[in-house]
Amino acid sequence: GDSVTQMEGPVTLSEEAFLTINCTYTATGYPSLFWYVQYPGEGLQLLLKATKADDKGSNKGFEATYRKETTSFHLEKGSVQVSDSAVYFCALKTNAGKSTFGDGTTLTVKP
Amino acid sequence: EAQVTQNPRYLITVTGKKLTVTCSQNMNHEYMSWYRQDPGLGLRQIYYSMNVEVTDKGDVPEGYKVSRKEKRNFPLILESPSPNQTSLYFCASSPYRDREPYGYTFGSGTRLTVV
Repeated sequence: GDSVTQMEGPVTLSEEAFLTINCTYTATGYPSLFWYVQYPGEGLQLLLKATKADDKGSNKGFEATYRKETTSFHLEKGSVQVSDSAVYFCALKTNAGKSTFGDGTTLTVKP
Repeated sequence: EAQVTQNPRYLITVTGKKLTVTCSQNMNHEYMSWYRQDPGLGLRQIYYSMNVEVTDKGDVPEGYKVSRKEKRNFPLILESPSPNQTSLYFCASSPYRDREPYGYTFGSGTRLTVV
């Protein structure tokens, strides 16, 4: 079946550091890929998405590129802030509507 | 305000006592889904629905039921809850038109404890 593998956390960075959270997937067909963010005590919020190979999703300074050849969708941000501290989930969605999420990566940014 | 509303936010119940968690969305979304979130296991899909009267099993459907009689509502039913269903539950919705891959809007979650 489909699966999403995220780098294990937690990840701790200093403010203004560069962030990479790795995500790789296995799926039949051509899924769409997503990153969601979950702040403490809240539901998940869509951060960005990409629907086909070489697409780049971006939002709030975060970026991720759909790499079909490496089946990856790594999340990056050039300069993190304390307010970026949250849990980040990578996910895929097939055309049939079924979704698979990674286990989540906890990011803590220290001042 | 566009949102997905779940109720209740917190629930403690006893083993075997039937319960329903409600989910309602006001965005006219075709697609709705239930997930459970457990430490170290991420989000796992329980059931999903692509439109009224159409439901499908996700990865962990055992012990749960759903129905989609109206477009806006997608209740999750636990006929005989057991302690292994203690979890944080999320309802989510999205459009489902022209096979476009829309992202989800999530509810705020329901923390269920079964004792």
